[in-house]
Amino acid sequence: DAGITQSPRHKVTETGTPVTLRCHQTENHRYMYWYRQDPGHGLRLIHYSYGVKDTDKGEVSDGYSVSRSKTEDFLLTLESATSSQTSVYFCAISPTGPTEAFFGQGTRLTVV
Amino acid sequence: DQQVKQNSPSLSVQEGRISILNCDYTNSMFDYFLWYKKYPAEGPTFLISISSIKDKNEDGRFTVFLNKSAKHLSLHIVPSQPGDSAVYFCAATDAGGGNKLTFGTGTQLKVEL
Repeated sequence: DAGITQSPRHKVTETGTPVTLRCHQTENHRYMYWYRQDPGHGLRLIHYSYGVKDTDKGEVSDGYSVSRSKTEDFLLTLESATSSQTSVYFCAISPTGPTEAFFGQGTRLTVV
Repeated sequence: DQQVKQNSPSLSVQEGRISILNCDYTNSMFDYFLWYKKYPAEGPTFLISISSIKDKNEDGRFTVFLNKSAKHLSLHIVPSQPGDSAVYFCAATDAGGGNKLTFGTGTQLKVEL
């Protein structure tokens, strides 16, 4: 199994509070991704990174920011959480080139 | 705009029979396609892939077929087993697009005894 860890695994937070989710990898893969999974939508890309300090937006990036200061860590921040951001968040990693991505176990975030 | 579509939200198949899961895409730049399997409370896991230069790829009980002219791919599972019951996601990428995957909405497969 690919070495990828998400933390926390579960979180309940209040509307308007900031939240940071962490993705940590031990594979030294170049690419890292944050997806959210919602019923009827499948997995949608929030942000991705193609190297340290190199990030770009995905299809549902509004309300989210990311940072990657080290190869192994990719942080997803909700600056001010809203109920529409209640979801399951998955981090994924991938080496260079068109190939499969490896996913973490997911973080279930509930915004109340 | 859904670039990868899985029009069947669910599929029920008897154990031992063939399961066929379908996927359509609209972006002609996609050149690599993957199937992922997801169990509840777990992350998706890679199942099988196919490059656009091929029309078939087989791995044990799993075969993926690609019809580029129709922008359609399918996953065949033969024979189906109860452990195959999961959500299956189709995904696509293009080599020049940051290697990011675009996913379909998933098909829930239930293999019944």
